[in-house]
Amino acid sequence: ILNVEQSPQSLHVQEGDSTNFTCSFPSSNFYALHWYRWETAKSPEALFVMTLNGDEKKKGRISATLNTKEGYSYLYIKGSQPEDSATYLCAFSNTGNQFYFGTGTSLTVIP
Amino acid sequence: DTGVSQDPRHKITKRGQNVTFRCDPISEHNRLYWYRQTLGQGPEFLTYFQNEAQLEKSRLLSDRFSAERPKGSFSTLEIQRTEQGDSAMYLCASSLAGRIDGYTFGSGTRLTVV
Repeated sequence: ILNVEQSPQSLHVQEGDSTNFTCSFPSSNFYALHWYRWETAKSPEALFVMTLNGDEKKKGRISATLNTKEGYSYLYIKGSQPEDSATYLCAFSNTGNQFYFGTGTSLTVIP
Repeated sequence: DTGVSQDPRHKITKRGQNVTFRCDPISEHNRLYWYRQTLGQGPEFLTYFQNEAQLEKSRLLSDRFSAERPKGSFSTLEIQRTEQGDSAMYLCASSLAGRIDGYTFGSGTRLTVV
């Protein structure tokens, strides 16, 4: 079992604030990293698939970076909105066969 | 295609009973995964199939758990002689082998063992 850690565990921000979370994973034998958003009572939804060191992905106000050499990825949300409230999960794979998930960061955006 | 569907959404069972969950993946996806999530933890890998073949099973998975995907389409996960520690959200996901796309998840089955 590979150790994937996410921090912080939870976060409360005011509407309009920008925020970021961290995902740490083993720095050897990297295959891919996924970021998911999981809203209450819904299915986890894939946000980003990251495969190359130095990757930067963006979707609207959300972006992510990847450093495979040091084993971390950051997820950034610019100008948080209440609809961004969710749990953000990262998942790491060294083979592509299965992904190991972190415990997630629970984000609450206060209007 | 309506995505990945799981049935039932919720299941309450008495300790010692057997339960079975079903997952219908996206039809063109040949890989199917089962994960379990307990409170405060991230999804934990249980097993995965490519077509009808079960290619990997977590060593953490007790012998009371069994999964099948008989025709390479839907899958079932059975838990025999349930214990209170089996209470969790059971998530199913599917993907296409060889693609690096993220998983498509179902909404999960929440099991409560009383």
